Amino acid sequence: DSGVTQTPKHLITATGQRVTLRCSPRSGDLSVYWYQQSLDQGLQFLIQYYNGEERAKGNILERFSAQQFPDLHSELNLSSLELGDSALYFCASSSDGQETQYFGPGTRLLVL
Amino acid sequence: GQNIDQPTEMTATEGAIVQINCTYQTSGFNGLFWYQQHAGEAPTFLSYNVLDGLEEKGRFSSFLSRSKGYSYLLLKELQMKDSASYLCAVRHTSNTGKLIFGQGTTLQVKP
Repeated sequence: DSGVTQTPKHLITATGQRVTLRCSPRSGDLSVYWYQQSLDQGLQFLIQYYNGEERAKGNILERFSAQQFPDLHSELNLSSLELGDSALYFCASSSDGQETQYFGPGTRLLVL
Repeated sequence: GQNIDQPTEMTATEGAIVQINCTYQTSGFNGLFWYQQHAGEAPTFLSYNVLDGLEEKGRFSSFLSRSKGYSYLLLKELQMKDSASYLCAVRHTSNTGKLIFGQGTTLQVKP
């Protein structure tokens, strides 16, 4: 158990819908990262937050957005969902913006 | 561009030693990580190299050559539970934690 928690564990929804994935970092970690893992793409970096501020952005779609709250938990919002958005979404955290990242158990999203 | 290459699959025998290679070509480099991932589970941290040389941690060792853009993960005394995917990841720059992952190497350990 890494100490990073993610909810929900599984999510099934329809195309065009919007969902919110939640992540709580390890105690004391200031930085949160979001990754997408699909079968054909491997782990893809989406976005990083550090102490509430956006620190780095990957190839995150405009339909996706994220934020980190004052209590350091983070949410990833996915809207206008498409079949291709079906994937495992992982959150990771680190003590600062550069140290080793520890991954949560992931949210498996299935878009039908 | 960013390119990280690993073999797709490897097979090894219980009790043996296996070496998983990773080559990278990235626009920035600030360290290389190895993660283990069992199917459907979270990646778990194995090792980190930022300077050239070998880092040893129990049955696992990792090597880095920055001039060659090359790393390997060495697993000794293989156990059945080592059957998993092994992910090589490069930290892109010094001011963010962004990791660029390879596609992973699926290792099957046979009795």
